[in-house]
Amino acid sequence: DIQMTQSPSSVSASVGDRVTITCRASQGISSWLAWYQQMPGKAPKLLIYAASSLQTGVPSRFSGSGSGTDFTLTISSLQPEDFATYYCQRANSFPPTFGPGTKVEIK
Amino acid sequence: QVQLQESGPGLVKPSETLSLTCSVSGGSISNYFWNWFRQPPGKGLEWIGYIYYSGTTKYNSSLQSRVTISVDMSNSQFSLNLNSVTAADTAVYYCARHVVYTPLYFDFWGRGTLVTVSS
Repeated sequence: DIQMTQSPSSVSASVGDRVTITCRASQGISSWLAWYQQMPGKAPKLLIYAASSLQTGVPSRFSGSGSGTDFTLTISSLQPEDFATYYCQRANSFPPTFGPGTKVEIK
Repeated sequence: QVQLQESGPGLVKPSETLSLTCSVSGGSISNYFWNWFRQPPGKGLEWIGYIYYSGTTKYNSSLQSRVTISVDMSNSQFSLNLNSVTAADTAVYYCARHVVYTPLYFDFWGRGTLVTVSS
Protein backbone atom coordinates (compact mmCIF):
# COMPACT_ATOMS: atom_id res chain seq x y z
CA ASP A 1 0.00 0.00 0.00
CA ILE A 2 1.03 3.58 -0.60
CA GLN A 3 2.12 5.23 2.64
CA MET A 4 1.36 8.84 3.56
CA THR A 5 3.57 10.97 5.78
CA GLN A 6 3.01 14.46 7.15
CA SER A 7 5.19 17.16 8.61
CA PRO A 8 5.35 18.64 11.07
CA SER A 9 3.55 16.39 13.53
CA SER A 10 2.53 19.48 15.45
CA VAL A 11 2.83 23.22 15.06
CA SER A 12 2.27 26.05 17.53
CA ALA A 13 0.90 29.20 15.98
CA SER A 14 -0.96 32.38 16.84
CA VAL A 15 -4.19 33.76 15.49
CA GLY A 16 -3.41 35.51 12.21
CA ASP A 17 -0.36 33.37 11.42
CA ARG A 18 0.15 31.62 8.11
CA VAL A 19 0.46 27.86 8.60
CA THR A 20 1.72 25.33 6.07
CA ILE A 21 1.45 21.55 6.45
CA THR A 22 3.22 19.11 4.15
CA CYS A 23 2.05 15.66 3.03
CA ARG A 24 4.13 13.16 1.08
CA ALA A 25 3.03 9.96 -0.65
CA SER A 26 5.42 7.02 -1.00
CA GLN A 27 4.41 6.73 -4.68
CA GLY A 28 2.91 9.20 -7.11
CA ILE A 29 -0.82 9.73 -6.73
CA SER A 30 -1.32 12.50 -9.32
CA SER A 31 -3.73 14.97 -7.70
CA TRP A 32 -5.82 12.36 -5.91
CA LEU A 33 -5.44 13.84 -2.46
CA ALA A 34 -7.80 15.15 0.19
CA TRP A 35 -7.31 17.16 3.36
CA TYR A 36 -9.50 16.82 6.44
CA GLN A 37 -9.84 18.82 9.64
CA GLN A 38 -10.69 17.01 12.86
CA MET A 39 -11.70 18.87 16.00
CA PRO A 40 -11.35 16.99 19.31
CA GLY A 41 -14.16 14.50 19.75
CA LYS A 42 -15.57 15.18 16.28
CA ALA A 43 -15.62 13.45 12.93
CA PRO A 44 -13.19 14.44 10.19
CA LYS A 45 -14.42 17.22 7.92
CA LEU A 46 -13.48 17.30 4.25
CA LEU A 47 -11.69 20.58 3.48
CA ILE A 48 -9.98 20.05 0.14
CA TYR A 49 -10.23 17.42 -2.58
CA ALA A 50 -8.30 16.85 -5.78
CA ALA A 51 -5.32 18.42 -3.99
CA SER A 52 -6.51 22.00 -4.49
CA SER A 53 -10.32 22.15 -4.78
CA LEU A 54 -12.12 23.71 -1.84
CA GLN A 55 -15.08 21.74 -0.52
CA THR A 56 -18.34 23.70 -0.46
CA GLY A 57 -18.62 25.90 2.61
CA VAL A 58 -14.94 25.80 3.54
CA PRO A 59 -13.40 29.26 4.12
CA SER A 60 -11.09 30.58 1.42
CA ARG A 61 -8.22 30.95 3.90
CA PHE A 62 -7.67 27.23 3.34
CA SER A 63 -5.82 26.24 0.20
CA GLY A 64 -4.08 23.17 -1.13
CA SER A 65 -1.44 22.54 -3.73
CA GLY A 66 0.81 19.85 -5.12
CA SER A 67 0.74 16.76 -7.29
CA GLY A 68 2.60 13.51 -7.64
CA THR A 69 4.14 12.84 -4.24
CA ASP A 70 4.33 16.23 -2.50
CA PHE A 71 1.39 18.27 -1.28
CA THR A 72 0.74 21.21 1.00
CA LEU A 73 -2.17 22.60 2.97
CA THR A 74 -1.96 26.30 3.79
CA ILE A 75 -4.06 28.31 6.21
CA SER A 76 -3.42 31.90 5.21
CA SER A 77 -4.55 33.57 8.43
CA LEU A 78 -5.18 31.23 11.34
CA GLN A 79 -8.49 31.71 13.14
CA PRO A 80 -9.46 30.45 16.64
CA GLU A 81 -11.71 27.77 15.14
CA ASP A 82 -8.82 26.36 13.08
CA PHE A 83 -6.99 24.84 16.02
CA ALA A 84 -7.42 21.15 15.21
CA THR A 85 -5.67 18.15 13.73
CA TYR A 86 -5.29 17.97 9.96
CA TYR A 87 -5.01 14.76 7.94
CA CYS A 88 -4.12 14.16 4.32
CA GLN A 89 -5.61 11.13 2.57
CA ARG A 90 -4.80 9.51 -0.75
CA ALA A 91 -7.87 9.07 -2.90
CA ASN A 92 -6.65 7.19 -5.96
CA SER A 93 -7.39 3.60 -4.96
CA PHE A 94 -8.40 1.31 -2.13
CA PRO A 95 -7.52 1.24 0.65
CA PRO A 96 -7.69 4.98 1.20
CA THR A 97 -4.85 5.72 3.59
CA PHE A 98 -4.33 8.74 5.80
CA GLY A 99 -1.29 10.58 7.00
CA PRO A 100 -0.56 10.47 10.74
CA GLY A 101 -1.94 13.98 11.25
CA THR A 102 -0.65 17.44 12.11
CA LYS A 103 -1.91 19.08 15.27
CA VAL A 104 -2.22 22.85 15.08
CA GLU A 105 -1.98 24.24 18.59
CA ILE A 106 -2.30 27.67 20.13
CA LYS A 107 0.99 29.41 20.76
CA GLN B 1 -28.63 17.62 4.15
CA VAL B 2 -27.46 14.06 4.50
CA GLN B 3 -26.96 12.85 8.06
CA LEU B 4 -25.32 9.67 9.27
CA GLN B 5 -25.66 8.28 12.78
CA GLU B 6 -23.79 5.32 14.25
CA SER B 7 -25.38 3.17 16.95
CA GLY B 8 -24.48 0.05 18.88
CA PRO B 9 -22.97 -1.24 22.12
CA GLY B 10 -20.18 0.80 23.62
CA LEU B 11 -18.61 -2.20 25.35
CA VAL B 12 -17.76 -5.57 23.83
CA LYS B 13 -16.01 -8.51 25.49
CA PRO B 14 -12.82 -9.95 24.01
CA SER B 15 -13.39 -12.72 21.45
CA GLU B 16 -16.97 -11.56 20.85
CA THR B 17 -18.46 -9.73 17.86
CA LEU B 18 -18.64 -5.95 17.55
CA SER B 19 -21.85 -4.89 15.79
CA LEU B 20 -22.67 -1.34 14.73
CA THR B 21 -25.33 0.23 12.54
CA CYS B 22 -25.21 3.46 10.56
CA SER B 23 -28.53 5.15 9.82
CA VAL B 24 -28.70 7.43 6.79
CA SER B 25 -31.23 10.25 6.59
CA GLY B 26 -31.83 13.23 4.34
CA GLY B 27 -30.84 11.52 1.13
CA SER B 28 -30.89 8.38 -0.96
CA ILE B 29 -28.75 5.40 -0.06
CA SER B 30 -28.30 4.64 -3.77
CA ASN B 31 -25.37 5.87 -5.87
CA TYR B 32 -22.97 6.00 -2.96
CA PHE B 33 -20.45 3.73 -1.34
CA TRP B 34 -21.08 3.52 2.41
CA ASN B 35 -17.93 3.14 4.43
CA TRP B 36 -16.73 2.30 7.90
CA PHE B 37 -13.62 3.80 9.47
CA ARG B 38 -12.11 3.57 12.90
CA GLN B 39 -9.74 5.62 15.00
CA PRO B 40 -8.07 4.18 18.13
CA PRO B 41 -7.80 6.71 20.96
CA GLY B 42 -5.12 9.27 20.16
CA LYS B 43 -4.26 7.62 16.84
CA GLY B 44 -4.97 8.01 13.14
CA LEU B 45 -7.76 6.91 10.85
CA GLU B 46 -8.13 3.44 9.33
CA TRP B 47 -10.56 2.49 6.56
CA ILE B 48 -12.41 -0.74 7.31
CA GLY B 49 -14.53 -1.30 4.22
CA TYR B 50 -17.51 -0.24 2.14
CA ILE B 51 -20.80 -1.52 0.81
CA TYR B 52 -22.81 -0.43 -2.21
CA TYR B 53 -26.60 -0.52 -2.06
CA SER B 54 -26.54 -3.55 -4.36
CA GLY B 55 -24.63 -5.44 -1.68
CA THR B 56 -21.20 -5.26 -3.28
CA THR B 57 -18.52 -4.98 -0.62
CA LYS B 58 -14.80 -4.32 -0.34
CA TYR B 59 -12.75 -4.67 2.82
CA ASN B 60 -9.35 -3.63 4.08
CA SER B 61 -7.11 -6.67 3.67
CA SER B 62 -5.84 -6.20 7.22
CA LEU B 63 -9.33 -6.90 8.60
CA GLN B 64 -10.93 -8.91 5.81
CA SER B 65 -11.00 -12.22 7.65
CA ARG B 66 -13.04 -10.72 10.52
CA VAL B 67 -15.29 -8.10 8.86
CA THR B 68 -18.74 -8.22 7.35
CA ILE B 69 -20.65 -5.15 6.13
CA SER B 70 -24.31 -5.45 5.18
CA VAL B 71 -27.03 -3.08 3.96
CA ASP B 72 -30.73 -2.71 4.75
CA MET B 73 -32.17 -0.61 1.95
CA SER B 74 -35.68 -0.55 3.38
CA ASN B 75 -34.46 1.20 6.53
CA SER B 76 -31.61 3.19 4.92
CA GLN B 77 -29.07 1.53 7.17
CA PHE B 78 -25.84 -0.35 6.82
CA SER B 79 -24.07 -2.39 9.44
CA LEU B 80 -20.62 -3.50 10.51
CA ASN B 81 -19.78 -6.81 12.17
CA LEU B 82 -16.24 -7.39 13.40
CA ASN B 83 -15.67 -10.75 15.05
CA SER B 84 -13.06 -12.13 17.45
CA VAL B 85 -12.32 -8.68 18.84
CA THR B 86 -9.37 -7.84 21.05
CA ALA B 87 -8.31 -4.73 22.93
CA ALA B 88 -6.63 -3.55 19.71
CA ASP B 89 -10.12 -3.07 18.23
CA THR B 90 -10.96 -0.40 20.81
CA ALA B 91 -11.64 2.72 18.77
CA VAL B 92 -14.10 5.36 17.70
CA TYR B 93 -15.97 3.90 14.73
CA TYR B 94 -17.26 6.23 12.01
CA CYS B 95 -19.49 5.71 9.02
CA ALA B 96 -19.03 7.90 5.94
CA ARG B 97 -20.05 8.04 2.30
CA HIS B 98 -18.41 8.69 -1.01
CA VAL B 99 -19.94 9.07 -4.43
CA VAL B 100 -19.79 6.09 -6.78
CA TYR B 101 -17.40 6.35 -9.73
CA THR B 102 -15.47 9.26 -8.22
CA PRO B 103 -12.21 9.43 -6.30
CA LEU B 104 -12.27 8.45 -2.68
CA TYR B 105 -13.36 11.70 -1.08
CA PHE B 106 -15.54 11.21 1.99
CA ASP B 107 -17.88 14.17 2.21
CA PHE B 108 -20.34 13.20 4.95
CA TRP B 109 -19.47 11.45 8.19
CA GLY B 110 -21.33 10.28 11.24
CA ARG B 111 -20.35 11.69 14.62
CA GLY B 112 -18.66 8.45 15.60
CA THR B 113 -19.21 5.98 18.42
CA LEU B 114 -16.61 4.73 20.87
CA VAL B 115 -16.39 0.97 21.23
CA THR B 116 -14.28 -0.41 24.05
CA VAL B 117 -13.19 -4.04 24.08
CA SER B 118 -12.82 -5.19 27.65
CA SER B 119 -13.96 -7.97 29.93
